[in-house]
Amino acid sequence: GAVVSQHPSRVICKSGTSVKIECRSLDFQATTMFWYRQFPKKSLMLMATSNEGSKATYEQGVEKDKFLINHASLTLSTLTVTSAHPEDSSFYICSARDGGVVNNSPLHFGNGTRLTVT
Amino acid sequence: AQTVTQSQPEMSVQEAETVTLSCTYDTSENNYYLFWYKQPPSRQMILVIRQEAYKQQNATENRFSVNFQKAAKSFSLKISDSQLGDTAMYFCIMRRGGGADGLTFGKGTHLIIQP
Repeated sequence: GAVVSQHPSRVICKSGTSVKIECRSLDFQATTMFWYRQFPKKSLMLMATSNEGSKATYEQGVEKDKFLINHASLTLSTLTVTSAHPEDSSFYICSARDGGVVNNSPLHFGNGTRLTVT
Repeated sequence: AQTVTQSQPEMSVQEAETVTLSCTYDTSENNYYLFWYKQPPSRQMILVIRQEAYKQQNATENRFSVNFQKAAKSFSLKISDSQLGDTAMYFCIMRRGGGADGLTFGKGTHLIIQP
């Protein structure tokens, strides 16, 4: 079955540094990927939609300069948290859509990244 | 605007019991897809079951089945013979069809299976 690999699964960084999270589709081409943030015991909040070869679309309230998204290939999207602050500590999850199946494909989620900013 | 409502923040049942998680939604679309995903303590999102809105037959996957009432915009999940491994957050998710992107998440139900 389709697999989405997200790396790293856990990262600790210092305030002011940048952290890059990768989301890879392993056996399908992902024309669209989504990045979410999840607070404890809460639902997933869509941050942005990443489209291969074009600029990401950010949800209202999400700082595009803070959360840089790059979807340079059909199998890789990256989320970079720039100048991280403790309030950026959270669980980040990506999902990918199989470009070969438009509507009825399930949502393929990565295993998530727990970011802790000290 | 599309909404997905899960009215049960938390539920607890004994092992082997049957439990039903509720989900109602609102959309003006006629073509959409509904999913139930579970998120165990590992935080991995795992597909439980999915339903195409144009299909009248309720989806079933082993111990998991849905009661899809399109007119009532209801999409409940029934778990039969519940097991300890079913303990997780369960999210009801709606996805628009027609090639449009966009997902609407419910707030989740934390299901606890007691031994």
